[in-house]
Amino acid sequence: GDSVTQMEGPVTLSEEAFLTINCTYTATGYPSLFWYVQYPGEGLQLLLKATKADDKGSNKGFEATYRKETTSFHLEKGSVQVSDSAVYFCALFNYGQNFVFGPGTRLSVLP
Amino acid sequence: GAVVSQHPSRVICKSGTSVKIECRSLDFQATTMFWYRQFPKQSLMLMATSNEGSKATYEQGVEKDKFLINHASLTLSTLTVTSAHPEDSSFYICSAKDGTDTQYFGPGTRLTVL
Repeated sequence: GDSVTQMEGPVTLSEEAFLTINCTYTATGYPSLFWYVQYPGEGLQLLLKATKADDKGSNKGFEATYRKETTSFHLEKGSVQVSDSAVYFCALFNYGQNFVFGPGTRLSVLP
Repeated sequence: GAVVSQHPSRVICKSGTSVKIECRSLDFQATTMFWYRQFPKQSLMLMATSNEGSKATYEQGVEKDKFLINHASLTLSTLTVTSAHPEDSSFYICSAKDGTDTQYFGPGTRLTVL
């Protein structure tokens, strides 16, 4: 079945550092890809998404490009802030099936 | 964007009691809603898929008699944890689809069973 793999955390960065969280997937067909963020004590919020190959999703300084050739959807941000500290989930959705989430990567940004 | 609410946000109950959690889509109609369970520092586990007006589809290993799901309208789904026990303590999150392939998640309900 479909699956999502993320880099293991926790990831600890200093403020203004560059962030990359790797995400790769295994799926049949052409799934849509998502990044969700979960702040402490809260539910998930959609951060960005891409629906087809070579699409770039972006929001709040975060970006991810749908790479079908490498089956990847890595999350990047050029300069992280303390307020970005959260857990980030990569997910895919194949039409007619359910969402599949990665295990999540906890990010801590230190001032 | 689309908003999904959950009520209550936190609930503490005694072992053996039942707890109902509501999930509402506030500004769109959701023919399909999902219920997830999240253990500490873990990812979400899909419990069941709820379609308006029909029985929920439960994932393997989820007890349908323990986790009762009702999707009575296009904007409301409820999850009832029956005869709750301490091992049912968890963070329960619902989500709703708006007709596209995007799910919108509720803020979650933290259940603590004493």
